[in-house]
Amino acid sequence: AQTVTQSQPEMSVQEAETVTLSCTYDTSESDYYLFWYKQPPSRQMILVIRQEAYKQQNATENRFSVNFQKAAKSFSLKISDSQLGDAAMYFCAFSSGSARQLTFGSGTQLTVLP
Amino acid sequence: DAGVIQSPRHEVTEMGQEVTLRCKPISGHDYLFWYRQTMMRGLELLIYFNNNVPIDDSGMPEDRFSAKMPNASFSTLKIQPSEPRDSAVYFCASSSGIHEQFFGPGTRLTVL
Repeated sequence: AQTVTQSQPEMSVQEAETVTLSCTYDTSESDYYLFWYKQPPSRQMILVIRQEAYKQQNATENRFSVNFQKAAKSFSLKISDSQLGDAAMYFCAFSSGSARQLTFGSGTQLTVLP
Repeated sequence: DAGVIQSPRHEVTEMGQEVTLRCKPISGHDYLFWYRQTMMRGLELLIYFNNNVPIDDSGMPEDRFSAKMPNASFSTLKIQPSEPRDSAVYFCASSSGIHEQFFGPGTRLTVL
Protein backbone atom coordinates (compact mmCIF):
# COMPACT_ATOMS: atom_id res chain seq x y z
CA ALA A 1 0.00 0.00 0.00
CA GLN A 2 1.14 3.51 -0.72
CA THR A 3 1.46 6.20 1.90
CA VAL A 4 1.89 9.95 1.56
CA THR A 5 3.26 12.05 4.41
CA GLN A 6 3.12 15.80 4.83
CA SER A 7 5.01 16.68 7.99
CA GLN A 8 4.15 20.39 8.07
CA PRO A 9 0.55 20.90 9.25
CA GLU A 10 0.93 24.69 8.93
CA MET A 11 3.23 27.07 7.10
CA SER A 12 3.29 30.81 6.64
CA VAL A 13 5.02 33.05 4.13
CA GLN A 14 5.30 36.76 3.56
CA GLU A 15 3.68 38.07 0.42
CA ALA A 16 6.13 38.07 -2.54
CA GLU A 17 8.44 35.62 -0.77
CA THR A 18 9.11 31.96 -1.59
CA VAL A 19 7.88 28.97 0.39
CA THR A 20 8.48 25.24 0.08
CA LEU A 21 5.99 22.59 1.18
CA SER A 22 7.33 19.10 1.88
CA CYS A 23 5.94 15.72 0.93
CA THR A 24 7.33 12.22 1.15
CA TYR A 25 5.78 9.02 -0.11
CA ASP A 26 6.34 5.33 0.09
CA THR A 27 5.67 2.85 -2.70
CA SER A 28 7.09 -0.25 -4.29
CA GLU A 29 5.74 0.71 -7.70
CA SER A 30 7.99 2.02 -10.45
CA ASP A 31 5.24 3.64 -12.51
CA TYR A 32 3.39 6.38 -10.66
CA TYR A 33 2.27 9.98 -10.67
CA LEU A 34 2.48 12.70 -8.06
CA PHE A 35 0.27 15.73 -7.67
CA TRP A 36 -0.22 18.84 -5.60
CA TYR A 37 -3.79 19.98 -5.08
CA LYS A 38 -4.89 23.27 -3.55
CA GLN A 39 -8.05 23.58 -1.46
CA PRO A 40 -9.05 27.18 -0.66
CA PRO A 41 -11.83 28.00 1.83
CA SER A 42 -14.37 27.41 -0.93
CA ARG A 43 -13.30 23.70 -0.50
CA GLN A 44 -12.90 23.26 -4.27
CA MET A 45 -9.97 20.90 -5.02
CA ILE A 46 -7.76 22.53 -7.63
CA LEU A 47 -4.91 20.74 -9.37
CA VAL A 48 -1.72 22.79 -9.05
CA ILE A 49 0.93 20.60 -10.66
CA ARG A 50 1.67 17.01 -11.64
CA GLN A 51 4.84 14.95 -12.02
CA GLU A 52 5.29 11.64 -13.80
CA ALA A 53 7.78 9.37 -12.03
CA TYR A 54 9.51 8.44 -15.27
CA LYS A 55 10.37 12.06 -16.01
CA GLN A 56 13.62 13.31 -14.54
CA GLN A 57 12.83 16.94 -15.23
CA ASN A 58 10.99 18.72 -12.45
CA ALA A 59 7.56 20.05 -13.39
CA THR A 60 6.85 23.78 -13.36
CA GLU A 61 3.64 25.76 -13.73
CA ASN A 62 4.21 29.50 -13.64
CA ARG A 63 5.09 30.36 -10.02
CA PHE A 64 4.79 26.73 -8.91
CA SER A 65 7.55 24.18 -9.26
CA VAL A 66 8.43 20.85 -7.71
CA ASN A 67 11.62 19.23 -6.50
CA PHE A 68 11.18 15.56 -7.28
CA GLN A 69 13.78 13.32 -5.67
CA LYS A 70 12.85 9.81 -6.76
CA ALA A 71 15.48 7.94 -4.79
CA ALA A 72 14.56 9.77 -1.62
CA LYS A 73 10.83 9.51 -2.42
CA SER A 74 10.44 13.20 -1.88
CA PHE A 75 8.17 15.60 -3.76
CA SER A 76 8.23 19.18 -2.50
CA LEU A 77 6.30 22.15 -3.87
CA LYS A 78 7.90 25.56 -4.22
CA ILE A 79 5.73 28.63 -4.54
CA SER A 80 7.58 31.71 -5.73
CA ASP A 81 6.40 35.31 -5.40
CA SER A 82 3.64 34.23 -3.02
CA GLN A 83 0.31 35.97 -3.40
CA LEU A 84 -2.60 36.38 -1.00
CA GLY A 85 -4.64 34.10 -3.25
CA ASP A 86 -2.20 31.27 -2.62
CA ALA A 87 -3.50 30.92 0.94
CA ALA A 88 -5.11 27.49 1.12
CA MET A 89 -4.71 23.91 2.26
CA TYR A 90 -2.27 22.08 0.01
CA PHE A 91 -2.46 18.32 -0.47
CA CYS A 92 0.19 16.07 -1.91
CA ALA A 93 -1.27 13.04 -3.72
CA PHE A 94 -0.04 9.81 -5.28
CA SER A 95 -1.47 7.64 -8.04
CA SER A 96 0.12 4.44 -9.23
CA GLY A 97 0.25 3.42 -12.86
CA SER A 98 -1.97 0.43 -12.21
CA ALA A 99 -4.51 1.84 -9.75
CA ARG A 100 -6.15 5.12 -10.58
CA GLN A 101 -7.23 6.30 -7.17
CA LEU A 102 -5.43 9.11 -5.41
CA THR A 103 -3.83 8.63 -2.00
CA PHE A 104 -3.61 11.95 -0.21
CA GLY A 105 -1.36 13.35 2.47
CA SER A 106 -2.84 15.07 5.50
CA GLY A 107 -2.36 18.53 4.05
CA THR A 108 -0.41 21.71 4.83
CA GLN A 109 -2.31 24.88 5.68
CA LEU A 110 -0.52 27.79 4.03
CA THR A 111 -1.03 31.33 5.31
CA VAL A 112 0.20 34.28 3.25
CA LEU A 113 0.97 37.36 5.31
CA PRO A 114 0.51 40.79 3.73
CA ASP B 1 -16.56 23.62 -20.78
CA ALA B 2 -18.45 22.42 -17.71
CA GLY B 3 -16.50 20.79 -14.93
CA VAL B 4 -17.69 18.04 -12.63
CA ILE B 5 -21.14 18.84 -11.31
CA GLN B 6 -22.37 17.69 -7.91
CA SER B 7 -25.72 18.09 -6.23
CA PRO B 8 -26.81 19.06 -3.74
CA ARG B 9 -24.06 21.38 -2.48
CA HIS B 10 -25.35 21.12 1.05
CA GLU B 11 -27.51 18.49 2.66
CA VAL B 12 -28.83 18.46 6.20
CA THR B 13 -30.76 15.42 7.29
CA GLU B 14 -31.75 13.51 10.37
CA MET B 15 -30.29 10.25 11.52
CA GLY B 16 -31.97 7.29 9.87
CA GLN B 17 -32.94 9.12 6.71
CA GLU B 18 -31.80 8.12 3.22
CA VAL B 19 -29.37 10.47 1.51
CA THR B 20 -28.57 10.50 -2.20
CA LEU B 21 -25.64 12.45 -3.62
CA ARG B 22 -25.36 13.01 -7.35
CA CYS B 23 -22.50 13.55 -9.74
CA LYS B 24 -22.13 14.38 -13.41
CA PRO B 25 -18.57 13.82 -14.64
CA ILE B 26 -16.81 15.77 -17.35
CA SER B 27 -18.00 14.63 -20.77
CA GLY B 28 -15.64 12.06 -22.26
CA HIS B 29 -14.05 11.04 -18.99
CA ASP B 30 -14.18 7.30 -18.39
CA TYR B 31 -13.13 7.24 -14.73
CA LEU B 32 -15.29 8.45 -11.86
CA PHE B 33 -14.26 8.59 -8.22
CA TRP B 34 -16.08 9.24 -4.95
CA TYR B 35 -14.01 10.61 -2.04
CA ARG B 36 -14.94 11.61 1.48
CA GLN B 37 -13.19 14.34 3.48
CA THR B 38 -13.33 14.55 7.27
CA MET B 39 -11.16 16.25 9.84
CA MET B 40 -10.29 12.94 11.46
CA ARG B 41 -9.52 10.83 8.38
CA GLY B 42 -8.67 13.42 5.74
CA LEU B 43 -9.44 12.61 2.11
CA GLU B 44 -10.18 8.97 1.44
CA LEU B 45 -11.40 7.06 -1.58
CA LEU B 46 -14.78 5.39 -1.27
CA ILE B 47 -15.19 3.81 -4.71
CA TYR B 48 -14.24 4.32 -8.32
CA PHE B 49 -15.68 3.33 -11.67
CA ASN B 50 -14.17 2.75 -15.09
CA ASN B 51 -16.55 2.81 -18.04
CA ASN B 52 -19.46 2.68 -15.58
CA VAL B 53 -18.17 -0.50 -13.91
CA PRO B 54 -17.13 -0.42 -10.23
CA ILE B 55 -13.42 -1.25 -10.00
CA ASP B 56 -12.54 -0.74 -6.35
CA ASP B 57 -15.12 -0.32 -3.60
CA SER B 58 -12.85 -1.32 -0.72
CA GLY B 59 -13.20 2.16 0.76
CA MET B 60 -16.96 1.97 1.18
CA PRO B 61 -17.43 2.05 4.95
CA GLU B 62 -20.21 -0.47 5.31
CA ASP B 63 -23.37 -1.83 3.76
CA ARG B 64 -25.20 1.41 4.42
CA PHE B 65 -23.25 2.95 1.55
CA SER B 66 -23.92 2.12 -2.08
CA ALA B 67 -22.88 3.71 -5.37
CA LYS B 68 -24.13 3.32 -8.90
CA MET B 69 -23.19 4.58 -12.31
CA PRO B 70 -26.05 3.76 -14.69
CA ASN B 71 -24.47 5.63 -17.60
CA ALA B 72 -21.37 7.60 -18.53
CA SER B 73 -22.83 10.93 -17.44
CA PHE B 74 -24.33 10.18 -14.04
CA SER B 75 -23.45 8.57 -10.73
CA THR B 76 -25.07 8.41 -7.31
CA LEU B 77 -23.80 7.72 -3.82
CA LYS B 78 -26.50 6.62 -1.43
CA ILE B 79 -26.42 6.31 2.35
CA GLN B 80 -29.25 4.40 3.97
CA PRO B 81 -29.77 4.78 6.88
CA SER B 82 -27.61 7.83 7.56
CA GLU B 83 -25.77 8.31 10.87
CA PRO B 84 -24.14 11.39 12.45
CA ARG B 85 -20.66 9.90 11.78
CA ASP B 86 -21.40 10.12 8.05
CA SER B 87 -21.21 13.91 8.27
CA ALA B 88 -18.44 14.96 5.89
CA VAL B 89 -17.73 16.58 2.55
CA TYR B 90 -18.22 14.15 -0.31
CA PHE B 91 -16.32 14.79 -3.53
CA CYS B 92 -16.83 13.36 -6.95
CA ALA B 93 -13.92 13.47 -9.42
CA SER B 94 -13.41 12.31 -12.98
CA SER B 95 -10.50 11.64 -15.28
CA SER B 96 -9.73 10.33 -18.73
CA GLY B 97 -6.66 8.48 -20.00
CA ILE B 98 -4.35 10.74 -18.04
CA HIS B 99 -4.04 10.27 -14.32
CA GLU B 100 -4.96 13.72 -13.10
CA GLN B 101 -8.41 13.99 -11.61
CA PHE B 102 -10.79 16.91 -11.77
CA PHE B 103 -12.95 17.44 -8.73
CA GLY B 104 -16.47 18.69 -8.30
CA PRO B 105 -17.31 21.36 -5.71
CA GLY B 106 -18.28 18.74 -3.12
CA THR B 107 -21.42 18.08 -1.10
CA ARG B 108 -21.33 19.03 2.57
CA LEU B 109 -23.46 16.47 4.40
CA THR B 110 -24.65 17.04 7.94
CA VAL B 111 -26.51 14.26 9.71
CA LEU B 112 -28.24 15.38 12.92
